[in-house]
Amino acid sequence: EVQMVESGGGLVQPGGSLRLSCAASGFSFSNYWVTWVRQAPGKGLEWVANIKRDGSEKYYVDSMKGRFAISRDNAQNLLFLQMNSLRAEDTAVYYCARVDWAHMDVWGKGTTVIVSS
Amino acid sequence: QSALTQPRSVSGSPGQSVTISCTGTSSDVGTYDYVSWFQQYPGKAPKLMIYDVTKRPSGVPDRFSGSKSGNTASLTISGLQAEDEADYYCCSFAGSHTYVFGGGTKLTV
Repeated sequence: EVQMVESGGGLVQPGGSLRLSCAASGFSFSNYWVTWVRQAPGKGLEWVANIKRDGSEKYYVDSMKGRFAISRDNAQNLLFLQMNSLRAEDTAVYYCARVDWAHMDVWGKGTTVIVSS
Repeated sequence: QSALTQPRSVSGSPGQSVTISCTGTSSDVGTYDYVSWFQQYPGKAPKLMIYDVTKRPSGVPDRFSGSKSGNTASLTISGLQAEDEADYYCCSFAGSHTYVFGGGTKLTV
């Protein structure tokens, strides 16, 4: 079964850091771009970042450049999102998704990040 | 990277058709035929319903269809069913490997 499973969410204080993980299975992970998308409580979806198949190219939404870093480990079929200098407005469910050409076709169930003191 | 514009809510009766619009700019929807639509139930992950403006993934009913004209893409759901009640989001490729989502539309059946 093709699936992606996020982990690593939790409660973190403002200014803190957190690293999210996403485990892919059921497909050849290294053949796909993958992405992070987040959804704040009661809000819409927001694209966060993309990473190329071999990890050589990374793209971010402007508002998160410099604070968030996307990476991947193709040997372990893992995707990561390192989040630093977290703010209350980063509170959201974070989804990882597979990108097939130019659309996100397989999504995880999400992991919840709460930034609060 | 401004969000695409969707109506906040639409409604329809069972059996009717509804159309949800998604307005972007010449930097995203207007330039690229890479518009996707997602269905999301409360507390659940989004599900791909339409991609590349008009294509349906395997398993998505043909009651769901997509189109585009200029800077506006549309999702039409015909023969509305109770199970179609959900939030719907459009998403467009915006160049340089970036994406932009719409604000979401709540469909009430």
